[in-house]
Amino acid sequence: DAKTTQPTSMDCAEGRAANLPCNHSTISGNEYVYWYRQIHSQGPQYIIHGLKNNETNEMASLIITEDRKSSTLILPHATLRDTAVYYCIVRTSSNTGKLIFGQGTTLQVKP
Amino acid sequence: DSGVTQTPKHLITATGQRVTLRCSPRSGDLSVYWYQQSLDQGLQFLIQYYNGEERAKGNILERFSAQQFPDLHSELNLSSLELGDSALYFCASSPSAWSSGANVLTFGAGSRLTVL
Repeated sequence: DAKTTQPTSMDCAEGRAANLPCNHSTISGNEYVYWYRQIHSQGPQYIIHGLKNNETNEMASLIITEDRKSSTLILPHATLRDTAVYYCIVRTSSNTGKLIFGQGTTLQVKP
Repeated sequence: DSGVTQTPKHLITATGQRVTLRCSPRSGDLSVYWYQQSLDQGLQFLIQYYNGEERAKGNILERFSAQQFPDLHSELNLSSLELGDSALYFCASSPSAWSSGANVLTFGAGSRLTVL
């Protein structure tokens, strides 16, 4: 699986947009970018995924650069409940569906 | 509620013992995945089953085994338990076996195992 690099931790003020970066410079053309989050010892929660185009859903937006070497997850109006570890995962095209998690970014939303 | 059900939520046992963790996948999902999360290791992929067959194997110890039954529920068996096996064990499910974009993994709430 392509390696991803994320900052270890980030802070964000409540009500502001949280922008979480992810570098995946070795990504291949058929590999998807997935974002999950884990709120303190709960099961990881799916947020969003994309291949080439920017994506938006009710939780977040995913911006992928044109060369696909990096992406940004945007939480438009962060709340205290968004405090979590955010994982950026590049999934190799294969005959298994497994996801390989890295260390992620710990996002602390502050009042 | 994610739709993936794991039991038990908490389990305390002694070294050398054997335990079984159970996972019921989301309705319609055919793949089940097991992950281990200990404090110093992060989320580690253990094994994947698809429609009853082993599909992929990760860093699963020989003391651990899993299976997926005809009704698609899965069990993870941990034997000869050691202190280092204390961890959160998560089960996830997905519709299919492959890495397509639509094959999103949904995780359960986990089983916390404490080995004393």
